[in-house]
Amino acid sequence: EDKVVQSPLSLVVHEGDTVTLNCSYEVTNFRSLLWYKQEKKAPTFLFMLTSSGIEKKSGRLSSILDKKELFSILNITATQTGDSAVYLCAVPYSGGGADGLTFGKGTHLIIQP
Amino acid sequence: EAGVAQSPRYKIIEKRQSVAFWCNPISGHATLYWYQQILGQGPKLLIQFQNNGVVDDSQLPKDRFSAERLKGVDSTLKIQPAKLEDSAVYLCASSLGVRKGHNEQFFGPGTRLTVL
Repeated sequence: EDKVVQSPLSLVVHEGDTVTLNCSYEVTNFRSLLWYKQEKKAPTFLFMLTSSGIEKKSGRLSSILDKKELFSILNITATQTGDSAVYLCAVPYSGGGADGLTFGKGTHLIIQP
Repeated sequence: EAGVAQSPRYKIIEKRQSVAFWCNPISGHATLYWYQQILGQGPKLLIQFQNNGVVDDSQLPKDRFSAERLKGVDSTLKIQPAKLEDSAVYLCASSLGVRKGHNEQFFGPGTRLTVL
């Protein structure tokens, strides 16, 4: 059974700080790892990682994958109050034609002004 | 481009009643997913459709949950009868489904179900 573990489960920092969110995974057949941001209802896509060691970057957010150690990190620099959200890490199901996502519990990030 | 649409946004029912949720995916997306998200947890896949066929329903509680996607576009998810533990947000997502395991999934706003 595929498994995704995120840490920390919650984090409170001040505006301007840099944060690192962690995601470790266990899958039978790795295909990709995805990060989503969930503010109210719908998770919104951030990154998809498939290759080890290649950083994906979008503005102040970046993410990297380590396929040997089976983990990924999401970095947010110069945090803003608008970054407050739950950040979800997920891997697609690793069998056959199905690719529904297995999610971690998420990291609840709170940015204080 | 219109996103994934879901209705209703909120639903309150009593246990043992029935409820149905509707989802309209992004135009052209062949794959549709239903997820259940209980408070404090990540979403959990219930069922995946490819066009109008079921690809994976291994985590769907089939004694009370059913889903269909008759014409390969819209989908409905039904719970009958509902239990207290079904209180959750039900999220619908869709993807192009071109390359398995490498598809960005786009999520709808969800339906928050409260079972009293």
